[in-house]
Amino acid sequence: DIQMTQSPSSLSASVGDRVNFTCQATHNIYNHLNWYQQKPGKAPKLLIYDASNLQTGVPSRFSGSGSGADFTFTITSLQPQDIATYSCQQYDSLPWTFGQGTKVEIK
Amino acid sequence: QVQLQESGPGLVKPSETLSLTCSVSGGSISNYYWSWIRQPPGKGLEWIGFIYYTGTTNYNPSLTSRVTISLDTSKNQFSLKLGSVTAADTAVYYCARGPRWHLWDYWGQGTQVTVSS
Repeated sequence: DIQMTQSPSSLSASVGDRVNFTCQATHNIYNHLNWYQQKPGKAPKLLIYDASNLQTGVPSRFSGSGSGADFTFTITSLQPQDIATYSCQQYDSLPWTFGQGTKVEIK
Repeated sequence: QVQLQESGPGLVKPSETLSLTCSVSGGSISNYYWSWIRQPPGKGLEWIGFIYYTGTTNYNPSLTSRVTISLDTSKNQFSLKLGSVTAADTAVYYCARGPRWHLWDYWGQGTQVTVSS
């Protein structure tokens, strides 16, 4: 199975800050990566697919980049409603696997 | 608006079979992949498997000997059966719709299943 490693596991930032965190795969997965947001007690929500494409209806302050084995998720201006855990998911080879998540908190 | 709702027992005894159903409303079963995904307490998400509306299935190899996903198009439902459960199967179980086989755009709210005697 392809292992996905996210870092950091948690971060704290102020409202309006630019926030970045990463996801690394154990193999080259090209751009076969999705990002999900999960708020406490809720189901995950698809934000980014194919590494950099914004899902319909998702605010443009969210973005994804990268290819191969290294990927970055960015929030350009952190908002209070962005408090959540963000998980990456590879789909280059079955079984689909997820990272452990990066928990974003407000400072 | 598409909605998915999981249902089933919240407590299952070790060695027994976990059975969950996902009811789909506001949309058709056709032309989509229907998945089960779980999240053990304090851990990341784990894909369990999917069934395509045609009946084709694909399961996580780590679970394939114990899992069956089936579809009832007449009821707009799909189901999960996971046999020989242990405490390691304790998790929140989500059902989800996939417009493609590798991503999910609508999810159920999740249902907690605890394996304990």
